Amino acid sequence: ETGVTQSPTHLIKTRGQQVTLRCSSQSGHNTVSWYQQALGQGPQFIFQYYREEENGRGNFPPRFSGLQFPNYSSELNVNALELDDSALYLCASSLEAGPRGTQYFGPGTRLLVL
Amino acid sequence: AQSVTQLDSQVPVFEEAPVELRCNYSSSVSVYLFWYVQYPNQGLQLLLKYLSGSTLVKSINGFEAEFNKSQTSFHLRKPSVHISDTAEYFCAVSGGSNYKLTFGKGTLLTVNP
Repeated sequence: ETGVTQSPTHLIKTRGQQVTLRCSSQSGHNTVSWYQQALGQGPQFIFQYYREEENGRGNFPPRFSGLQFPNYSSELNVNALELDDSALYLCASSLEAGPRGTQYFGPGTRLLVL
Repeated sequence: AQSVTQLDSQVPVFEEAPVELRCNYSSSVSVYLFWYVQYPNQGLQLLLKYLSGSTLVKSINGFEAEFNKSQTSFHLRKPSVHISDTAEYFCAVSGGSNYKLTFGKGTLLTVNP
């Protein structure tokens, strides 16, 4: 059984650009969540997808959007990048969407916005 | 709303000493509690979790945590730490209709020889 994978590992963008981050969930996990971890902070919830539908959203603006595909992969898209978007972006997959569902994290994508 | 407070941002200890990393939470509903560990330049790994049943939960590498509902705490302990335990430890909570994980700010455990 493979774990959660993310690509790319590192990314450098300039302010105003758009970025797409990718995640491959564990096989059979139909729920994926995305988190932003700023330097020295705990992860902050961005949104969750369950069976290809957005299942909930944290306190992030609409320029953060996502997609989930039937093959257990997903994307996080960020438009109009700002300097404060520099962070480690983590995706996590789980077998169930509820609060009991244990979330398994990928290694993350480190985004630097200049 | 839920929140998590990790009372110590850094905890330095010597190898083979005991350690306790403190976590307190706030929630108006029943909670599920998690401890994750993050090694440098890596993602989060689940260390242990409390969902229901016995309030004392253990990991395979010697850590344990006890859910204390009256004190709204879920402190992480290990009787004897190793150099390899050096990492950042995050406490997280979910519960009710709140499917997301709410994390504390983390505690950096540094084990010195």
